[in-house]
Amino acid sequence: QQQVKQSPQSLIVQKGGISIINCAYENTAFDYFPWYQQFPGKGPALLIAIRPDVSEKKEGRFTISFNKSAKQFSLHIMDSQPGDSATYFCAASRGQAGTALIFGKGTTLSVSS
Amino acid sequence: DSGVTQTPKHLITATGQRVTLRCSPRSGDLSVYWYQQSLDQGLQFLIQYYNGEERAKGNILERFSAQQFPDLHSELNLSSLELGDSALYFCASSIQGTGELFFGEGSRLTVL
Repeated sequence: QQQVKQSPQSLIVQKGGISIINCAYENTAFDYFPWYQQFPGKGPALLIAIRPDVSEKKEGRFTISFNKSAKQFSLHIMDSQPGDSATYFCAASRGQAGTALIFGKGTTLSVSS
Repeated sequence: DSGVTQTPKHLITATGQRVTLRCSPRSGDLSVYWYQQSLDQGLQFLIQYYNGEERAKGNILERFSAQQFPDLHSELNLSSLELGDSALYFCASSIQGTGELFFGEGSRLTVL
């Protein structure tokens, strides 16, 4: 079922730096690409999402870049803060049909102060 | 607070036993999803229900089953438990037609 591949598995970034997490998908029927953030002891929560009709979406310090032809998308966290330390999951689904999200295996981000 | 409630939060049991995990979705959400989270496999989709009917199946073992009741709460039943079933089990709910899932805080199952 591994249709979404995520890298790197872990990432250490200095405070103020840029964190970049990459994902690649296989199923061209996917049309919804969210990123979820999970803190220890909590469930994942939606951070930002994109649909394939745009190549980039920005919300505050978080940006998704989407490359439909390469079947890849990435999360960029600008000015990374210690509070951003969490596990990040990319996912994909046929969102309009209300189907289940298929998740990548996650990236553990540590932002050092 | 996502609005999705899962019980119990923690559960310790022995191999061969059976447990039931319960999920109450957000008010008004008709879809319920179950996911298993382990360290090496990440978040694995198990099964989805929509308004009481099974909608999709993922990597759910035959020893596992689920149902969604008329009041829309859902239960995940895990039987003949093995050590490898130890994991966090998450329930999520959504409004049909959107992609966003709202996750509960999970039920941590430990099989000894």
